[in-house]
Amino acid sequence: EIVMTQSPATLSVSPGERATLSCRASQSVSNNLAWYQQKPGQAPRLLIYGASARATGIPARFSGSGSGTEFTLTISSLQSEDFAVYYCQHYNNWPPLTFGGGTKVEIK
Amino acid sequence: EVQLVESGGGLVQPGGSLRLSCAASGFTFSNYAMSWVRQAPGKGLEWVSAISGSGGSTYYADSVKGRFTISRDNSKNTLYLQMSSLRAEDTAVYYCAKGLMEWEVFPAYMDVWGKGTTVTVSS
Repeated sequence: EIVMTQSPATLSVSPGERATLSCRASQSVSNNLAWYQQKPGQAPRLLIYGASARATGIPARFSGSGSGTEFTLTISSLQSEDFAVYYCQHYNNWPPLTFGGGTKVEIK
Repeated sequence: EVQLVESGGGLVQPGGSLRLSCAASGFTFSNYAMSWVRQAPGKGLEWVSAISGSGGSTYYADSVKGRFTISRDNSKNTLYLQMSSLRAEDTAVYYCAKGLMEWEVFPAYMDVWGKGTTVTVSS
């Protein structure tokens, strides 16, 4: 089973600043990676798939990069609505799908 | 509007059974693979099970294999998760989620999620 490790666990950022979140896979997943955003009490929302493609309706300030085992989600200028928990998820050698443990982006 | 609505959660004793349902609307249900994903209180996301659009292929996490059964009724646009031999560690919010791409056998990415239904396993 592929293990996804996210860092940091918590990221404190001021509104308007850039946030960089990392996700590492225990073995190569090529570009088969997604990022989700989850706010308290809500379901997850798909942000990025295929490592770098934005899902429908996702603002351009969200971007994904990476391949193989190292991936990054960048939020170029944090808005108040972006404070949430972010999960990465691989799609490779399924099943299972596995998610990272999450990164909480909080207001600094 | 594309929508998923889960139901069927509740309090059940260890060893008991429960059936979750997920009613889909706003898209051609039979064209899409579907998944169940759960989230224990204060924890991260855990993929539980998936099913192809036709229902002919099913997949399970090791943690639920042999205890949970996923199925779908495309005539009713409804996804199900039959859960048996429930354990305390199955306590979670259960989400159903739609695969992003049509005609996938397995949902690689999940672009529409329901609000979830809560399952509590406790005596």
